[in-house]
Amino acid sequence: DGGITQSPKYLFRKEGQNVTLSCEQNLNHDAMYWYRQDPGQGLRLIYYSQIVNDFQKGDIAEGYSVSREKKESFPLTVTSAQKNPTAFYLCASSLRGPSGGASDEQFFGPGTRLTVL
Amino acid sequence: KNQVEQSPQSLIILEGKNCTLQCNYTVSPFSNLRWYKQDTGRGPVSLTIMTFSENTKSNGRYTATLDADTKQSSLHITASQLSDSASYICVVRSNQAGTALIFGKGTTLSVSS
Repeated sequence: DGGITQSPKYLFRKEGQNVTLSCEQNLNHDAMYWYRQDPGQGLRLIYYSQIVNDFQKGDIAEGYSVSREKKESFPLTVTSAQKNPTAFYLCASSLRGPSGGASDEQFFGPGTRLTVL
Repeated sequence: KNQVEQSPQSLIILEGKNCTLQCNYTVSPFSNLRWYKQDTGRGPVSLTIMTFSENTKSNGRYTATLDADTKQSSLHITASQLSDSASYICVVRSNQAGTALIFGKGTTLSVSS
């Protein structure tokens, strides 16, 4: 069963804590992305990676960190520096990435809803 | 500035009725436009992709149109079903190398019986 998985589905965090959101794909895609979705707003890009051991900041990277040690995995850490972390987080992957061609479709995972208590 | 504007923000229709969602964009240079459907609490799923040379494309009861001259797209849903209740997101890609996707805020559609 191919696709993108995210875990956990729901996550609760106390203020001052770091939390890590998991994203795994078995589509053999080179590129992976993290987005944040808030009510009434479009998806905003946090980080993306086009290849293992390389990643780039998106529009709202402050307070977040990522790693790409394996092609299949792209975990996102929400640090205590992120002032308003409560949101719905979506992970996506695509075959080649932003430079890989016009028709390169992004496939999304089911999302993780993070709530700060 | 590259922007994607969707209207209406929300829409309520009766089951079986048709509806049309709008997307206007100012992205340049234009590469393609996708419509995604996002069920509540789930990730978006692509419905259609429109390139510069395409005017109309259908996917079942969903028909997308594109007018590249006026930079407008629409998504028409025919004979709506309860399962069509979702958020519909318009996403535009620029031809500029390395440019990220530009997402609209979405239209929330509620289909009632």
